[in-house]
Amino acid sequence: DAGVIQSPRHEVTEMGQEVTLRCKPISGHNSLFWYRQTMMRGLELLIYFNNNVPIDDSGMPEDRFSAKMPNASFSTLKIQPSEPRDSAVYFCASSGGGNQPQHFGDGTRLSIL
Amino acid sequence: GESVGLHLPTLSVQEGDNSIINCAYSNSASDYFIWYKQESGKGPQFIIDIRSNMDKRQGQRVTVLLNKTVKHLSLQIAATQPGDSAVYFCAENMGNQGGKLIFGQGTELSVKP
Repeated sequence: DAGVIQSPRHEVTEMGQEVTLRCKPISGHNSLFWYRQTMMRGLELLIYFNNNVPIDDSGMPEDRFSAKMPNASFSTLKIQPSEPRDSAVYFCASSGGGNQPQHFGDGTRLSIL
Repeated sequence: GESVGLHLPTLSVQEGDNSIINCAYSNSASDYFIWYKQESGKGPQFIIDIRSNMDKRQGQRVTVLLNKTVKHLSLQIAATQPGDSAVYFCAENMGNQGGKLIFGQGTELSVKP
């Protein structure tokens, strides 16, 4: 069975550029989560969706970050403009909602030069 | 200057011994708990979960214990193997928040052959 699929796996770009990270959740899951992981701050929840609707975006660090979920099988996290401090591993996870485990993708390693 | 990051607790065990990883959670209203394993370069992988109406749950070589009185969670790994070397995270679902999880900082398990 396909798990959560993220693309790209690695992204290196210069500061100021727009970055778009993509996620395909597990089919049938109705909750989707975006996380950021750094050595300094660990694993942080940025935003999550239930049934394609953003529920809590309090973890989004700045207006430069935005996320969308146009349908049940696709979500994007966009950073515009990007800055070196955005360098991190970004994970997407999905779950069946409520008290169901979240299943993670293998992440996108983002480096902003 | 030298960067300062999270200083993960580290547990070092001999292959074949049992491992116990501990976690203190923060919210007495949390009703669902999960343990994840994260290997280098990969996303967190679901290991086992437990609901607050239980105090023990067993899986294959793993057992989770929940003590709600002192808000403590532990993961026991029997006959630890080199493949168990990873960072282990506990996570709590703070109830009625659509599946939102709060993650601990993680414990690094190192298995010596």
